[in-house]
Amino acid sequence: QKEVEQNSGPLSVPEGAIASLNCTYSDRGSQSFFWYRQYSGKSPELIMFIYSNGDKEDGRFTAQLNKASQYVSLLIRDSQPSDSATYLCAILGPMNRDDKIIFGKGTRLHILP
Amino acid sequence: GAGVSQSPRYKVTKRGQDVALRCDPISGHVSLYWYRQALGQGPEFLTYFNYEAQQDKSGLPNDRFSAERPEGSISTLTIQRTEQRDSAMYRCASSDGQGASGNTIYFGEGSWLTVV
Repeated sequence: QKEVEQNSGPLSVPEGAIASLNCTYSDRGSQSFFWYRQYSGKSPELIMFIYSNGDKEDGRFTAQLNKASQYVSLLIRDSQPSDSATYLCAILGPMNRDDKIIFGKGTRLHILP
Repeated sequence: GAGVSQSPRYKVTKRGQDVALRCDPISGHVSLYWYRQALGQGPEFLTYFNYEAQQDKSGLPNDRFSAERPEGSISTLTIQRTEQRDSAMYRCASSDGQGASGNTIYFGEGSWLTVV
């Protein structure tokens, strides 16, 4: 089983709607979870990190973490065409193991004007 | 420096030649990571350092790949006897490694390697 799994998409969402991006992970001991956005031809840039169960909100973005289900998601409210990008889920392994940060393959999001 | 700096940004080399890719992390950052990213894929972990110590090199594809960070700052990723399959974007990232938020990694612009 791959360590971090994401649907590659593309996910098409109408402008103004909510985009929901999902990620599952295999290591139950993972401690921190990150969402990065990557525009075509650019480097990944951090959107949010979360390490506690529940929701974390930052502007139009909400990260949701469910450690029991080994599931982390990113919601984007009021989607804008500028949100069209690839979204990468990343995890940090258990604290007693190492600081290796592993990325998923990413989900391509397309906001339809 | 203000951000993670990588050089060269673009490198074209002939098959069989050795290449060295350089990364200058954000000043003061403890951890330095090397990733490889193919088109349409997420960053693939290669190796990482805490200070000058290489903590994990499990992602290096084979023994032609090596990395060093001798003084705990600048790092070099070396690929010996390059092959066409080595062509990819090589990304360096760094973090200050302090707590959950400190494990946030910041990427450089990457080095595009093309082996012909």
